[in-house]
Amino acid sequence: EIVLTQSPGTLSLSPGERATLSCRASQSINSRYLAWYQQKPGQAPRLLISGASSRATGIPDRFSGSGSRTDFTLTISRLEPEDFAVYYCQQYGNSPPFSFGQGTKLEIK
Amino acid sequence: QLQLQESGPGLVKPSETLSLTCTASGGSIGSSNYFWAWIRHPPGEGLEWIGTIYYSRSTYYNPSLKSRVTIPVDTSKNQFSLTLNSVTVADTAVYYCASGYSGFGTFDYWGQGILVTVSS
Repeated sequence: EIVLTQSPGTLSLSPGERATLSCRASQSINSRYLAWYQQKPGQAPRLLISGASSRATGIPDRFSGSGSRTDFTLTISRLEPEDFAVYYCQQYGNSPPFSFGQGTKLEIK
Repeated sequence: QLQLQESGPGLVKPSETLSLTCTASGGSIGSSNYFWAWIRHPPGEGLEWIGTIYYSRSTYYNPSLKSRVTIPVDTSKNQFSLTLNSVTVADTAVYYCASGYSGFGTFDYWGQGILVTVSS
């Protein structure tokens, strides 16, 4: 069973700063099968990144994803006020076929 | 644009069965283009994948819930459902239905979510 571990649990930054969020897999996974989501309070999650690095439709280019095998990163180059939310990584195609990390809360410092 | 809407009771008693329905619009449940899924978000915790059903009617469930879960499909109503048996307070969560494109594994479309509380 593949387990995704996200770090840090909480990240406190100011608007305009750069955010780097980590997702580590317990086993090597195909980077095609790693995604990132953003969830704001009271809302459903929104797909940001698929295939580890491809932005979903309408996602600003300040969001970028990278990584391979067991280590993946979501970077927000310059934080906007609307970016403060919880971020989840997700893997698919392994065992179990779908799973999420526990999330990183990005909060305003 | 595919849209999803959950419906069902917001309160279920312990040991009873939780039943939710997801109605799709802007796309067909019977289409080979999509897969359909349920995901939940317990209060104060992270997202938990519950199960997925494909066009072929193949289903996959979270191992931790597999013995209690089924995901039936009703193509005549363009709906799919979630049945979770023998619920406990630990099953209290916001339940989302979601969908993605066949051949891929991302959840591109989400319902707004429905809060289900398990309490006597």
